[in-house]
Amino acid sequence: EAQVTQNPRYLITVTGKKLTVTCSQNMNHEYMSWYRQDPGLGLRQIYYSMNVEVTDKGDVPEGYKVSRKEKRNFPLILESPSPNQTSLYFCASSLSFPVEQFFGPGTRLTVL
Amino acid sequence: ELKVEQNPLFLSMQEGKNYTIYCNYSTTSDRLYWYRQDPGKSLESLFVLLSNGAVKQEGRLMASLDTKARLSTLHITAAVHDLSATYFCAVGGDSNYQLIWGAGTKLIIKP
Repeated sequence: EAQVTQNPRYLITVTGKKLTVTCSQNMNHEYMSWYRQDPGLGLRQIYYSMNVEVTDKGDVPEGYKVSRKEKRNFPLILESPSPNQTSLYFCASSLSFPVEQFFGPGTRLTVL
Repeated sequence: ELKVEQNPLFLSMQEGKNYTIYCNYSTTSDRLYWYRQDPGKSLESLFVLLSNGAVKQEGRLMASLDTKARLSTLHITAAVHDLSATYFCAVGGDSNYQLIWGAGTKLIIKP
């Protein structure tokens, strides 16, 4: 089944404790992206990747890192999480750009 | 800086009625997307509009794009309860790979 998977789906952590949210797609898509969703704000793009080893900042990259060492994986790294990074995070992929994106199920992160 | 504004942000309507959701954006773009999100779920692509005058239809939903007016509309015809969801528009930004999203329109359709 063609899909985008994210892990973990739920995470509660404490300020400053490094964490990684994984994202994987099995559709051989070139483009992948991370978003955060906060009430009343829609989605805001954190980082995106056009292909392996090619990444760029979105609107809200501060406090986040990404890497794209393999085409299928695009992990989101929070080196020192803070409470203002409490949010719902979505990973998405598309065959190329600007066609439609396929979204993962989301990761709900709470930073205490 | 590109800004995307959706209205209304909340809409409650009766089954069988027609209504339109509007997506305005502030700078030139020829790429616009509509997505749907059910409560507690992920997002699902509805339409991709890539040129001025583009019109796409799927069932009771029809989307159009007017790049000169910087406006897209999502029209709902004879609404049914299953269309209750939050609808987002997203607009291509200055970078070829950037998307700016609207705040979403929460649509409730009452039987």
